[in-house]
Amino acid sequence: DTEVTQTPKHLVMGMTNKKSLKCEQHMGHRAMYWYKQKAKKPPELMFVYSYEKLSINESVPSRFSPECPNSSLLNLHLHALQPEDSALYLCASSQDRRGRSYEQYFGPGTRLTVT
Amino acid sequence: AQRVTQPEKLLSVFKGAPVELKCNYSYSGSPELFWYVQYSRQRLQLLLRHISRESIKGFTADLNKGETSFHLKKPFAQEEDSAMYYCALNTGGFKTIFGAGTRLFVKA
Repeated sequence: DTEVTQTPKHLVMGMTNKKSLKCEQHMGHRAMYWYKQKAKKPPELMFVYSYEKLSINESVPSRFSPECPNSSLLNLHLHALQPEDSALYLCASSQDRRGRSYEQYFGPGTRLTVT
Repeated sequence: AQRVTQPEKLLSVFKGAPVELKCNYSYSGSPELFWYVQYSRQRLQLLLRHISRESIKGFTADLNKGETSFHLKKPFAQEEDSAMYYCALNTGGFKTIFGAGTRLFVKA
């Protein structure tokens, strides 16, 4: 299995809702990423997990809460979002070897709309 | 500051014409550079990376450290090459910085 899967594909939520985005990979990758992509813009890194530990948090507001329950799963918990948080949320994974970068494999994304 | 610049938002060429998508980077160390591509309604995927020096789908890219460039080239564009192309810079570790992207449109 060489794919990163993401659920749901689309999500519409109100500003008071709590929802979660899910990401899964079975390539044995030990680094997993969350990106935010606004329309016609490049992906912006939000979080990176390495060996299930949070390695990078790009000063993301606390209304976004990542979780890595095991080496294959990555969640993004959402609470009290703002309309400007509407975007495509991409998950990616890669190998993890200190000091070197590897290609990232991206999921198809979850299109989030906050009303 | 580390930065990736793709000066063209849109590049339109005729089928069979050569194409060059420009990418310049700003980084004082030894960079690792990538080109990612996103075809319509498909996920973002790696096209090529400079360390492998390979040709994928007829595309090549050479790292020019003197000019801090990593331009993507193809001698004869095909309609199926129409997509969004992102140049990306990794400086070691997990952070990859993406350029703003260039939309390539290949006309029949």
